[in-house]
Order: sequence, then structure tokens, then C-alpha cells
Amino acid sequence: DAGVIQSPRHEVTEMGQEVTLRCKPISGHDYLFWYRQTMMRGLELLIYFNNNVPIDDSGMPEDRFSAKMPNASFSTLKIQPSEPRDSAVYFCASSWGPDTQYFGPGTRLTVL
Amino acid sequence: ELKVEQNPLFLSMQEGKNYTIYCNYSTTSDRLYWYRQDPGKSLESLFVLLSNGAVKQEGRLMASLDTKARLSTLHITAAVHDLSATYFCAVDLPNAGNMLTFGGGTRLMVKP
Repeated sequence: DAGVIQSPRHEVTEMGQEVTLRCKPISGHDYLFWYRQTMMRGLELLIYFNNNVPIDDSGMPEDRFSAKMPNASFSTLKIQPSEPRDSAVYFCASSWGPDTQYFGPGTRLTVL
Repeated sequence: ELKVEQNPLFLSMQEGKNYTIYCNYSTTSDRLYWYRQDPGKSLESLFVLLSNGAVKQEGRLMASLDTKARLSTLHITAAVHDLSATYFCAVDLPNAGNMLTFGGGTRLMVKP
């Protein structure tokens, strides 16, 4: 298996622009997670899905953030409008049931 | 609210030495994970510990869990330079799907 796939790997954008991050989980996994990692706040869970349904989005920082999972093999995390404080590495992870989460390579987002 | 604390936050050690990283958590949990992250890379799963007294070993790393003390340890035996990385413990919330709360990480540097 190719593992969790994320795109783009790097994104540089200007404040106010819309940013869309993409994730393809490991085939057969039924849980998908979006995390954000910064030096100041460490690893934070933003939202997670089970069988394509959002279960807990309490970690989503603001209404500017939204996430969707239209099918079992694809999820997006959108930031609109983006702000410099959104600069971070965003990880997607997936798991089969309540078991080990496997992380993607991450998207490094820089908002100027 | 589940809190997960690791110590030390930073560890510099010589090759060949032994050391232990500690992970304390604040509430009852079903399972505890250890992950490794190399600079600029993703998180790699090392161990999952499921029950009180669980011990797992892989090479020079050994992880253990004491659920009564709410404590896990990651012991490094005869460290080598290749073990230099940041190590995270993560704990899942009971009855909360597969939500993980991560510790702040321990950055390990092994000097030749």
C-alpha cells in the first residue's frame, strides 16, 4: 500500500486566499484525522471522520476552517480566508478502527 | 480534559548511554501510543500499549505502561546516532472513537 497520500506537499499563499489541502487515506481504513503541528502548540487534532461522517470537529479553530470527506478515499481541509497564523504543517492520518493511526507526509503551509 | 505531559522535553546524550523518557497522562485511557518524528518528516508509529503492565521492545527501544500510575516510559538502551529524533506519546480518550491527545514531544539528540 502507498500509505496516506497528501497534496500539495508545500503551499505558499498570500493572506486572504483560499487554501485546499487534500488527503487520500489508506485503502480500507474507516477513520480519517486532520492534525495541525506548530512549534508553539504542538500537534493538535482538528477534526476526524468515521465512515466518511464527521464525528468531532471541536479542534477546528475557526469558521474559516472546513473539512469534507465525500467518499472513503478522499478528504479535503479548506481554509478561507487564510491568515499568517494558519502557517503550520497539516497532517492527515487514517486508521482501521480504534487502532494505530498512520500519518501522511504532511503539507507545509506558509501564509504570507 | 485529557492532558499528556512528557519529560524531558529535550535530551542530549552520548552514544552508548541509557536513558528513559516519561509520559504522564491525566485520565483513564484505553491505549497509549509512541511515535517517532524525524526533522521535517511525518510521524512513524513505534508501539501501541493496550493494558497495564504491557511491555514492547524493538531494537534499542522498550516501552512500558502502568495504567494505575498513568505513566508510560520509553527506555533507550545503548543509544546510537540513528535514534536522534523527536518522540511523542499519545493517549486516546475513552469512549471517544480514536481521538488522540499528544504529548509535547521529547527531542532526542545522540552525539557520536
